[in-house]
Amino acid sequence: DGGITQSPKYLFRKEGQNVTLSCEQNLNHDAMYWYRQDPGQGLRLIYYSQIVNDFQKGDIAEGYSVSREKKESFPLTVTSAQKNPTAFYLCASSDYRTLSGANVLTFGAGSRLTVL
Amino acid sequence: AQSVTQLGSHVSVSEGALVLLRCNYSSSVPPYLFWYVQYPNQGLQLLLKYTTGATLVKGINGFEAEFKKSETSFHLTKPSAHMSDAAEYFCAVSGVHGSGNTGKLIFGQGTTLQVKP
Repeated sequence: DGGITQSPKYLFRKEGQNVTLSCEQNLNHDAMYWYRQDPGQGLRLIYYSQIVNDFQKGDIAEGYSVSREKKESFPLTVTSAQKNPTAFYLCASSDYRTLSGANVLTFGAGSRLTVL
Repeated sequence: AQSVTQLGSHVSVSEGALVLLRCNYSSSVPPYLFWYVQYPNQGLQLLLKYTTGATLVKGINGFEAEFKKSETSFHLTKPSAHMSDAAEYFCAVSGVHGSGNTGKLIFGQGTTLQVKP
């Protein structure tokens, strides 16, 4: 079955450490996204990529970095510069070039990062 | 600019009762509207979407939503709540991809639905 795989599901990190969250999709989607979810704040866009080797900052990119070397993969690094990294991170992908033009996102199951 | 407001962060209904989750949006371009559902510690799943055409949209699990342009609303309803409907629901808006619009989704803050037996 096609879908999005995020790993790890749970991750603990000490302050000052960088961590990388993995996101892999086999849907052949061009676009991929990273969202951060905090209680009561909905989903906030961190980075997105519409094509390999290109990506754009979202609304809360500070303290995060990404790469898009392959169509299937869009890893997110949470750096030590991110002041409050404890959150639930969601990866999504879409084939935005649909007939209707609607950008329907398919989500992974998420990764929960806790900073100790 | 686009934005979404979900009225009520928590909604509680009895099993079998009507479910009504409210969503209002603002958009400078014709909007595409979505409802997603999230179960605990899981990703989001698409319930339904409005693009063009019929303003009453039917989705999965018996949910439907009506696009009302004059009220800038896209409320989600279900005639009879089931215990399995307990989850968090997100409304989202985007514009048409192209013509300088990336089609990014803007999400509301979410509404947690509690279903009481």
